[in-house]
Amino acid sequence: DSGVTQTPKHLITATGQRVTLRCSPRSGDLSVYWYQQSLDQGLQFLIQYYNGEERAKGNILERFSAQQFPDLHSELNLSSLELGDSALYFCASSVDGEGYNEQFFGPGTRLTVL
Amino acid sequence: AQKVTQAQTEISVVEKEDVTLDCVYETRDTTYYLFWYKQPPSGELVFLIRRNSFDEQNEISGRYSWNFQKSTSSFNFTITASQVVDSAVYFCALSEALRIQGAQKLVFGQGTRLTINP
Repeated sequence: DSGVTQTPKHLITATGQRVTLRCSPRSGDLSVYWYQQSLDQGLQFLIQYYNGEERAKGNILERFSAQQFPDLHSELNLSSLELGDSALYFCASSVDGEGYNEQFFGPGTRLTVL
Repeated sequence: AQKVTQAQTEISVVEKEDVTLDCVYETRDTTYYLFWYKQPPSGELVFLIRRNSFDEQNEISGRYSWNFQKSTSSFNFTITASQVVDSAVYFCALSEALRIQGAQKLVFGQGTRLTINP
């Protein structure tokens, strides 16, 4: 158990809908990362927050947004969902955002868009 | 752009065999960090090791060992006397240097699916 929690574990929804994925980092970690894992794209970095501020951005679609709250939990919002958004979404956390830190991953949220 | 290549998509061996997973990376940075993660069938990514670009010493942890060679931009992972519980997808990753303090981005390889047969 990495100490990172994600809810829900599974989410099934329809195209055009909007969903919110939630992540709580390990105790003491200030940085949160979001990744998408799909069969065709592999593991892709989406976005990073450090102590409430956005610090790094990957290939995150405009339909997707995220935020980190004062209690350091984070939410990833996915809107106008398409079939291709079906994937496993991981949250990870690290002590701070420096490049040498290992990231600890949560169990993931499996999103299925029908 | 930084890139990580794991050319072996799938490897299947019999228990107790040694197996090496290859990882080749590309970066223009002089300071960088390499990682290996394991993704067992349960799905969660488990951190295995971190190596920085200034430390080329090989590392051994039980049956696991890592060989880092800057000259060939490789960071290979060997499992000695493999066991069925080693069956998983293994990912190599590179920490991309970002110019903003506190910013980190991991670039992952495509992963190698390792199956250990009894």
